[in-house]
Amino acid sequence: NAGVTQTPKFQVLKTGQSMTLQCAQDMNHEYMSWYRQDPGMGLRLIHYSVGAGITDQGEVPNGYNVSRSTTEDFPLRLLSAAPSQTSVYFCASGRGSGRPDTQYFGPGTRLTVL
Amino acid sequence: AQSVTQPDIHITVSEGASLELRCNYSYGATPYLFWYVQSPGQGLQLLLKYFSGDTLVQGIKGFEAEFKRSQSSFNLRKPSVHWSDAAEYFCAVGARGSYIPTFGRGTSLIVHP
Repeated sequence: NAGVTQTPKFQVLKTGQSMTLQCAQDMNHEYMSWYRQDPGMGLRLIHYSVGAGITDQGEVPNGYNVSRSTTEDFPLRLLSAAPSQTSVYFCASGRGSGRPDTQYFGPGTRLTVL
Repeated sequence: AQSVTQPDIHITVSEGASLELRCNYSYGATPYLFWYVQSPGQGLQLLLKYFSGDTLVQGIKGFEAEFKRSQSSFNLRKPSVHWSDAAEYFCAVGARGSYIPTFGRGTSLIVHP
C-alpha cells in the first residue's frame, strides 16, 4: 500500500493564481481531512470528509474548496491564492469507526504564495 | 468542545537522558488521546493512543504515555532518548461522536549528543 500520497511536494504561486493540491489514499478509509501547519500554530483543520459526497468545514476553511467524488481522492482547491496561504499542507485519512481514531498522514505539500 | 495544551514549545535533552513531554486536555468526558511524531520534512506518524482501560499506554519506538484523569494530562515519556528522536511531537484529543481530533501546537525536541 502506498498509504496517503500528496502531489505536488512543493509549489510556488503568485497572488491570485488558483491551483489544486491532490490527495489520494489506497486504504479504503472513509474519513479524509486537510490541515495546514504554520510555525507555532500546530495543525489547523481546513476541511474534512466522512465519505464520498460528504464534506464539511473545519477551523480555517476560507479561501479553500474541497469535493469528494470517490473514496480514494480528496483534492483541495485554492481559488485565488493569497500570501496568507503560504503554509505546509497535510492530507490525512482514517477509518470511519464512529469515533476519533488513528489518522494516516501524507508527506505534505509546501506552498509559497508570492 | 475539546482543547489540548502542550506547555513546552521546545525541550532540549542529552542523548541517553529520560524524556517527558507534557500534554493537558480539556474535555468533559473520557477523551480519546493521541501522540504523534513528525520528523523533519515528513508527515505525522502515530506513536500511541488511549481510548480506555489501562491508563499506561505503550507505543512504538520505546515511548509510553500515562492518562491521568485527575490532572487532565496525557504525558509522553521515554526512559532513554536517542538522537533519532529529535522531532516535533503533537498531542491530540478527540471527543465521542466526532472523527476529528484537536491537535496541540506541538513540542520540538532537540537532542544533544
